[in-house]
Amino acid sequence: KQEVTQIPAALSVPEGENLVLNCSFTDSAIYNLQWFRQDPGKGLTSLLLIQSSQREQTSGRLNASLDKSSGRSTLYIAASQPGDSATYLCAVHGRTYKYIFGTGTRLKVLA
Amino acid sequence: DTAVSQTPKYLVTQMGNDKSIKCEQNLGHDTMYWYKQDSKKFLKIMFSYNNKELIINETVPNRFSPKSPDKAHLNLHINSLELGDSAVYFCASSQGTLTRPTDTQYFGPGTRLTVL
Repeated sequence: KQEVTQIPAALSVPEGENLVLNCSFTDSAIYNLQWFRQDPGKGLTSLLLIQSSQREQTSGRLNASLDKSSGRSTLYIAASQPGDSATYLCAVHGRTYKYIFGTGTRLKVLA
Repeated sequence: DTAVSQTPKYLVTQMGNDKSIKCEQNLGHDTMYWYKQDSKKFLKIMFSYNNKELIINETVPNRFSPKSPDKAHLNLHINSLELGDSAVYFCASSQGTLTRPTDTQYFGPGTRLTVL
């Protein structure tokens, strides 16, 4: 059974810091992994999608990496801004043909 | 211009009532989903439809019945509502199929259901 864990559960950093969010999964047989952002009271916004054959994806200040063999993904946020404050979720699509979500990391960037 | 829309945004109702939540996507996607997000913010899939056909039906009480009149719509009907049904329900869609999930999922804004 696929389990997805995100560490840390919450993170508070001053503006301008670079930071790393972690996602680990127990079954390495995955099709892809997605990172999402969820603002309070809102839906999820997809940030980056990494296919199983890829090692990383980049979008602006965001970089996501995938190491299938070790069951890990990281989301790197460069030069964090207060507007980055949100909950970040990773979701893994695997052999059960559905997305399994992690429990999320609540990020607060202080001005 | 809304890609995935849900109505209503908020739903407050009494135990035992029957209610529906509607979802529409204008992205031309083939696959649609319903997710439940509980009070601890854990998001779990409930159902998935591909071209109006039910693909995933998780361990969900049969009081929950999805209906897909066409591939742009996936509605969720809930009978005999219980306190534990209180949650935020998200609709999502993607172009990829479940066996070829290559594409991004797009989520609706959510429906916050409160059962009193």
